[in-house]
Amino acid sequence: NAGVTQTPKFQVLKTGQSMTLQCAQDMNHEYMSWYRQDPGMGLRLIHYSVGAGITDQGEVPNGYNVSRSTTEDFPLRLLSAAPSQTSVYFCASTIGGGASEQYFGPGTRLTVT
Amino acid sequence: DQQVKQNSPSLSVQEGRISILNCDYTNSMFDYFLWYKKYPAEGPTFLISISSIKDKNEDGRFTVFLNKSAKHLSLHIVPSQPGDSAVYFCAASGGYSSASKIIFGSGTRLSIRP
Repeated sequence: NAGVTQTPKFQVLKTGQSMTLQCAQDMNHEYMSWYRQDPGMGLRLIHYSVGAGITDQGEVPNGYNVSRSTTEDFPLRLLSAAPSQTSVYFCASTIGGGASEQYFGPGTRLTVT
Repeated sequence: DQQVKQNSPSLSVQEGRISILNCDYTNSMFDYFLWYKKYPAEGPTFLISISSIKDKNEDGRFTVFLNKSAKHLSLHIVPSQPGDSAVYFCAASGGYSSASKIIFGSGTRLSIRP
């Protein structure tokens, strides 16, 4: 099993550009989430999904869109990048709800200039 | 308002001694708590968890203690080893009913010195 994979590992965007961060898991987990990690802020939930076709907002959803057309994939779209979105982004999946351990991808480091 | 707080950004402990990492929470609806460990340039990995119906959970060198009345939990690592040097995140959730909504603390960087 590859677990949770994320692409790209690094990305530099100019303000106003859009892009999609890819996330895939091969563990047949129903639950998937996107987090951002900023210095001194820990991990903050952006969006999450409890199954294909179902998504919901987390703590910091503004400026991001998600969709879940398959169990395996959960892409995160930045609609119009802003410097405030400079961060490290982690995708995670879990077999259950909040009581279950999450499996994290290796992260995508995004810089918006 | 941070619902999960790790007030110590960093901690340095001598190899072989006990490391104690602390975490406080404000939401009494949290009923499940987890600790994650993170090395640089990697994603966090699950370490240990505890349900609110327990006050202690042990897994090898790692023990988590929960004090519900004080809304406080701590992670004890005994004995501390060089490979334990990492950032540790405390996380809390409302259990299965809360889907994937987990709130993380800001992390504590643990350094194990020889």
